[in-house]
Amino acid sequence: LAKTTQPISMDSYEGQEVNITCSHNNIATNDYITWYQQFPSQGPRFIIQGYKTKVTNEVASLFIPADRKSSTLSLPRVSLSDTAVYYCLVGMDTGRRALTFGSGTRLQVQP
Amino acid sequence: DTEVTQTPKHLVMGMTNKKSLKCEQHMGHRAMYWYKQKAKKPPELMFVYSYEKLSINESVPSRFSPECPNSSLLNLHLHALQPEDSALYLCASNLKRGTEANNEQFFGPGTRLTVL
Repeated sequence: LAKTTQPISMDSYEGQEVNITCSHNNIATNDYITWYQQFPSQGPRFIIQGYKTKVTNEVASLFIPADRKSSTLSLPRVSLSDTAVYYCLVGMDTGRRALTFGSGTRLQVQP
Repeated sequence: DTEVTQTPKHLVMGMTNKKSLKCEQHMGHRAMYWYKQKAKKPPELMFVYSYEKLSINESVPSRFSPECPNSSLLNLHLHALQPEDSALYLCASNLKRGTEANNEQFFGPGTRLTVL
């Protein structure tokens, strides 16, 4: 299983763009990169998934360099409600292999 | 219906009790999961059911017994738990369509379990 490393915590202000980087040096060829968001006392929520280059949806963008050994989740113009823990997961959920949550990044957005 | 429901929301039980946690989804998802999450820690996978068959058991103690009666329901039977088993128990589901790469799990709100 690919091990991931993320910053333990980050601080930002409302309206700023936040970039959270995840390192995954031993990513396998078939692995995807997936990000989840979790608020206190709630289940995690899927944000975005990608394999290479750039993926964008209505919530975030995911940047993956050619060597795929790292990835960056970009949250545009954060608000107070984006204060949460963000998890980077690497792998492929096949039913016989499952994803593992790393320790996550605690993002605090200030007014 | 695009949600995973879990009951009860809260559960307090003694070490000699037997109780069950229930999870339900009506999205046609064919993979279902149980996770355990302690405070300020990431979710830890316990079990995975794929097409109603147990496919992954992450060396969970036998005092936790999962059951998947049908494709919409997932139970976790609890017996003789220890105080250190107190945690948030999360259920999740995934569509699992063929060989398509899909890491999108839909999580329920969890059951907060306290073992006295």
